[in-house]
Amino acid sequence: SQKIEQNSEALNIQEGKTATLTCNYTNYSPAYLQWYRQDPGRGPVFLLLIRENEKEKRKERLKVTFDTTLKQSLFHITASQPADSATYLCALPLKRGAQKLVFGQGTRLTINP
Amino acid sequence: EPEVTQTPSHQVTQMGQEVILRCVPISNHLYFYWYRQILGQKVEFLVSFYNNEISEKSEIFDDQFSVERPDGSNFTLKIRSTKLEDSAMYFCASSEEGRNNQPQHFGDGTRLSIL
Repeated sequence: SQKIEQNSEALNIQEGKTATLTCNYTNYSPAYLQWYRQDPGRGPVFLLLIRENEKEKRKERLKVTFDTTLKQSLFHITASQPADSATYLCALPLKRGAQKLVFGQGTRLTINP
Repeated sequence: EPEVTQTPSHQVTQMGQEVILRCVPISNHLYFYWYRQILGQKVEFLVSFYNNEISEKSEIFDDQFSVERPDGSNFTLKIRSTKLEDSAMYFCASSEEGRNNQPQHFGDGTRLSIL
């Protein structure tokens, strides 16, 4: 079955630097991949969706890349701010055409002022 | 911005009792989902629902669980004969479409505590 690994459980970054989070998956290559933000006690908040035919997607200070050869997605936050501190989740469909999303365990990002 | 709303935010129930968790998806969305997250663990898919029927379900979603869209706005998850291990955050989500790469939008969840 599809497995997702996010590079680390926790990442500490100095304010103003770029935070880079990694999501690796096994088995089949999904048609798309999503990134979410989750704050303590809250539901996941959708950030970006990247499709298999897209190499890169941007939204304000966020950038996502998708390398189907490496089976990897990178999530970047540029000019990071303390308010960016949260857990970031990678999610992709269990199989092509499926609605079921499989989530990674998340990376807890802390931006230090 | 439209959002998914869930009630109650916290539900405490005695083991063996039935609970109903409620959700109001985003109004123009057609696909609805339930996920759960046990404390400290990953978000796990339970079920998806489209056109008044279940479209996919996980191995977790056994006969103890059921979903319903009782009217044009609500989407409910019923858990019968609750067990201690059902304690978790339950998230409802909705999307415009299910198979065409549309994002799923989540509510803030119901924290279910089984005593």
